[in-house]
Amino acid sequence: ETAVFQTPNYHVTQVGNEVSFNCKQTLGHDTMYWYKQDSKKLLKIMFSYNNKQLIVNETVPRRFSPQSSDKAHLNLRIKSVEPEDSAVYLCASSYSNSDYTFGSGTRLLVI
Amino acid sequence: GDSVTQTEGQVTVSESKSLIINCTYSATSIAYPNLFWYVRYPGEGLQLLLKVITAGQKGSSRGFEATYNKETTSFHLQKASVQESDSAVYYCALRGDTNAYKVIFGKGTHLHVLP
Repeated sequence: ETAVFQTPNYHVTQVGNEVSFNCKQTLGHDTMYWYKQDSKKLLKIMFSYNNKQLIVNETVPRRFSPQSSDKAHLNLRIKSVEPEDSAVYLCASSYSNSDYTFGSGTRLLVI
Repeated sequence: GDSVTQTEGQVTVSESKSLIINCTYSATSIAYPNLFWYVRYPGEGLQLLLKVITAGQKGSSRGFEATYNKETTSFHLQKASVQESDSAVYYCALRGDTNAYKVIFGKGTHLHVLP
């Protein structure tokens, strides 16, 4: 099956902990993205990588860091989570500037 | 910066009735951005519904249509007769030019179709 796969689906953690989300695409795309969807359902881009190079780095807190080992993987690490990090994190991929394919999302709850 | 404004909240329509979800955009990075409608059906991931990259053109998919209107900077989503299976969240989006690896989304409109 070719798609964008995200793990975990859901994660609950306490303030100050570190979390890491995984994203893998099997579509042969060369560009991957992380979006954050907050409680108001607004989707905002955080990062995008093209051929393992960071090309979009929006203004996000420094505790967020993307990690790309190859074109098919783009993970997201959050050091010392805060309550406002509670959101759905969506991973997507595309071939260059073509249409996105999204994963099903990772819902983070910080308590 | 670039932005998208669409009908917010929930829209409720009875089956077989017509639908319009408004979307307007502001693109400071480029005169002619690419415009999209994405949809998230219950239990599924966000997926592309239709796109238009040329001003004045119309995109269509699954009975939905949207026309890229440069004069009014609008890209409204319409359907003549909705079905219960159209119940979903719809997002209007644009991609500007200064950084083509970034799509800007609206806040989403939850469509609820009554049987």
